[in-house]
Amino acid sequence: GNSVTQMEGPVTLSEEAFLTINCTYTATGYPSLFWYVQYPGEGLQLLLKATKADDKGSNKGFEATYRKETTSFHLEKGSVQVSDSAVYFCALKGGANNLFFGTGTRLTVIP
Amino acid sequence: GAVVSQHPSWVICKSGTSVKIECRSLDFQATTMFWYRQFPKQSLMLMATSNEGSKATYEQGVEKDKFLINHASLTLSTLTVTSAHPEDSSFYICSADDFGGPRGQYFGPGTRLLVL
Repeated sequence: GNSVTQMEGPVTLSEEAFLTINCTYTATGYPSLFWYVQYPGEGLQLLLKATKADDKGSNKGFEATYRKETTSFHLEKGSVQVSDSAVYFCALKGGANNLFFGTGTRLTVIP
Repeated sequence: GAVVSQHPSWVICKSGTSVKIECRSLDFQATTMFWYRQFPKQSLMLMATSNEGSKATYEQGVEKDKFLINHASLTLSTLTVTSAHPEDSSFYICSADDFGGPRGQYFGPGTRLLVL
């Protein structure tokens, strides 16, 4: 079956620190992989995605590479800002078009 | 960009009453909408897939008679929590799939339900 295992939080970083949030997946077939972000009081927003192996999704300084050999899609950002404080969800979409989410990782960036 | 709205954003009700939550795609047509439930500090759990003009497909363990889903038009799906109980208190989120668009699913802001 499909599942996503995500690094547990919370994660607290100082501004300009390097961020990594680990995500690994189990899936049948060839899923698409996503990172969603949920800012306080708002709905989930797509942050980035990758649809096939070795694709790199990127947006707002965040990056994640679809690694089929390690079944991973780790989220990285070189220099976080206070405005990046949010909950980040890794997700995969299988053949049925529904999304399977990880448990979410809360990131807090302090000035 | 595409927007999905939910109404109400929060609701408090007495145990035993029914609550209807609306999910609308505001600027695109969505033949498929999804309903999720999010528990505190946990992930989103898919409850059901709502298909316009046909019956919803429920995930295992979700009571279809308790969580009634209607997808009567290409821009509106409703979730009715019937005879709500305190254990139904949760954050309910819908999403609409823009198959023709570049970003896939768009999520509503969620509805917080508190059953007293």
